[in-house]
Amino acid sequence: AQSVSQHNHHVILSEAASLELGCNYSYGGTVNLFWYVQYPGQHLQLLLKYFSGDPLVKGIKGFEAEFIKSKFSFNLRKPSVQWSDTAEYFCAVITNAGNMLTFGGGTRLMVKP
Amino acid sequence: KAGVTQTPRYLIKTRGQQVTLSCSPISGHRSVSWYQQTPGQGLQFLFEYFSETQRNKGNFPGRFSGRQFSNSRSEMNVSTLELGDSALYLCASSLVGAENSPLHFGNGTRLTVT
Repeated sequence: AQSVSQHNHHVILSEAASLELGCNYSYGGTVNLFWYVQYPGQHLQLLLKYFSGDPLVKGIKGFEAEFIKSKFSFNLRKPSVQWSDTAEYFCAVITNAGNMLTFGGGTRLMVKP
Repeated sequence: KAGVTQTPRYLIKTRGQQVTLSCSPISGHRSVSWYQQTPGQGLQFLFEYFSETQRNKGNFPGRFSGRQFSNSRSEMNVSTLELGDSALYLCASSLVGAENSPLHFGNGTRLTVT
């Protein structure tokens, strides 16, 4: 079965700092990859997704992620964070072997104004 | 377009009782998935339904069950509640299934078992 690891559980940044959140998965076949975000008091929502094609995908609010197949990674990046980016971020993977979307443990990001 | 609606928002039950949670997907979405979210375990997949059929089931005991109706609405049932079942239960819908279309989540039902 596939698994997803997010190595940073808590990240604290100042506004305008650059962000990179790590995500690694374990599965040797074809995968679809997602980043979801949960703002305080709100429901989970899709930030960006990768199905195929250009491995560098752009999402909402200036976020982007790069799929590196050789490293089994799908790291999330943002050049300059804002206080409003304070949230919990979840990486998720679904494989061509099943229909089960597997989530990582999440990373809590706090951006200090 | 209305989002995914889950009812009730909060529930308090005692050990041994059973509970039914409801989920109305986005109009036109045929797939409904259920997740359990806890601080210790994160988001864990419970099951997915598509066109009234369970397509996938996570690693949960048989006390957790679900069903989907012809209008795509879904219910989740937990019998013989245990303290460890206290969690936020999230429902998510997608057009044709999580493998091809992103999930849209509801706000969840917060279940507390005392």
